[in-house]
Amino acid sequence: KAGVTQTPRYLIKTRGQQVTLSCSPISGHRSVSWYQQTPGQGLQFLFEYFSETQRNKGNFPGRFSGRQFSNSRSEMNVSTLELGDSALYLCASRDLAEETQYFGPGTRLLVL
Amino acid sequence: SQKIEQNSEALNIQEGKTATLTCNYTNYSPAYLQWYRQDPGRGPVFLLLIRENEKEKRKERLKVTFDTTLKQSLFHITASQPADSATYLCALDNQGGKLIFGQGTELSVKP
Repeated sequence: KAGVTQTPRYLIKTRGQQVTLSCSPISGHRSVSWYQQTPGQGLQFLFEYFSETQRNKGNFPGRFSGRQFSNSRSEMNVSTLELGDSALYLCASRDLAEETQYFGPGTRLLVL
Repeated sequence: SQKIEQNSEALNIQEGKTATLTCNYTNYSPAYLQWYRQDPGRGPVFLLLIRENEKEKRKERLKVTFDTTLKQSLFHITASQPADSATYLCALDNQGGKLIFGQGTELSVKP
């Protein structure tokens, strides 16, 4: 099976812009979670989607949003970018029959 | 508040020795705990999962223990190799798909 894929891999934006990141889960996995990773805060949970519904949400401002499509692909959006949003954004998919999450390679976002 | 701490930010050991990494947590009763490996610029890769009713789990050169009384997990890599050099993350399940991660321990195995 192909692994989790994320696009784009690298992105440079300026403050105030918005960005959309995409994630394609492993075939058959219906749960998709998003995480933000920074040197200072480590890996932090953003949200989880299952069957097009948000099931869990982390402690991030409303500028961070996401959605999931009927084919389980997911997107996350960050509006009004701030310098502190520079991070590695990771997507993980999961088969609900097991607890293991499979991570994609991440999207490296740099906000200038 | 819930807190997860990994013993140190960096661990340096000699090839062939056993590396032991620690994960402590507070204000938490996880159903299971997971260990991941992360290489620079890449996403975490799952290594082992241990449930609250399991004391020990092994996979090849890897061993993990879980003490719910001490609220601690130990992760061991025996006969370590330079290729084991990476950052190791412990993660606790909070609610289904939400994992809470420790800060990670950067392991360096010298030849």
